[in-house]
Amino acid sequence: QVQLQESGPRLVKPSETLSLTCTVSGGSVTNYYWSWVRQPPGKGLEWVAHVHSNGDTTYNPSLKSRATISLDTSENRFSLTLRSVTATDTAVYFCARHWGLLSHPFDFWGQGMLVTVSS
Amino acid sequence: DIVMTQSPLSLSVTPGEPASISCRSSQSLQHSSGYNFVDWYLQKAGQSPQLLIYSGFNRASGVPDRFSGSGSGTDFTLKISRVEAEDVGVYYCMQALQDPRTFGQGTNVEIK
Repeated sequence: QVQLQESGPRLVKPSETLSLTCTVSGGSVTNYYWSWVRQPPGKGLEWVAHVHSNGDTTYNPSLKSRATISLDTSENRFSLTLRSVTATDTAVYFCARHWGLLSHPFDFWGQGMLVTVSS
Repeated sequence: DIVMTQSPLSLSVTPGEPASISCRSSQSLQHSSGYNFVDWYLQKAGQSPQLLIYSGFNRASGVPDRFSGSGSGTDFTLKISRVEAEDVGVYYCMQALQDPRTFGQGTNVEIK
C-alpha cells in the first residue's frame, strides 16, 4: 500500500518561503505524476502543481510563479517551495499521487499538513 | 481555467434514500479517448479526500456500487443509490482535462 507523508515547518512568516516535502513509502515515485493540493481552512480544494519523474512540471497560474516543485528519486520524495507567502497561503497542504490511467486521478493522498502564515 | 459548478451545495438525506449531486463545467470535458475527464472525491471530516469515481463513471477500487457517476460534455452527476451513515462528508467534482485542474465548490452531505 502506497503511503504519503507531508513534512515541513508549520508556521511561516509573511514574505518568507514555505517548504514542504512529501515522502513516499510502499511504492516508487518513478513513472508517476505527483501533485500538491491545498485547502484553506473551511474552504475548498485547489490544485497547486505536479511533477513527473521524467522532469515534467506544471503549476497553477494562480500562484504567479512563486512555486517550485521537484522530485528526488533517490530519496523517493518530492517537494514544494512557495516564495513570498502571505496569509492567503495559509492552508492544509496535501500531497497526492496521480494514478496512471485515463484521467490520472489522485488515488493516494497524504494526511495533509496545516501551514500557517503569520508573524 | 475551467470552472466547475456544483449543486446543491448542501444536502440532507434520510438513510436508505437516494442522493444526487450535479456538476457543470464551463467547457466540455470530453477527452480524445472518448472518456469525460471528470473525477469525484469524498472528503470526510478531518481526512484527506478519497477517490470515488474517475473518468466520468469508473468506480475506484473498494468504492461501493451504490456510488455511480454519469454525464457527458459539460453536465455530470454523482448518485448514491441508498445513502448510508458513512457517506457523510463533502463531495467534490474535479476536471482533469486541462491544467490547472479545478474543483467544484463542494457539496456537504449530511444525514437527517
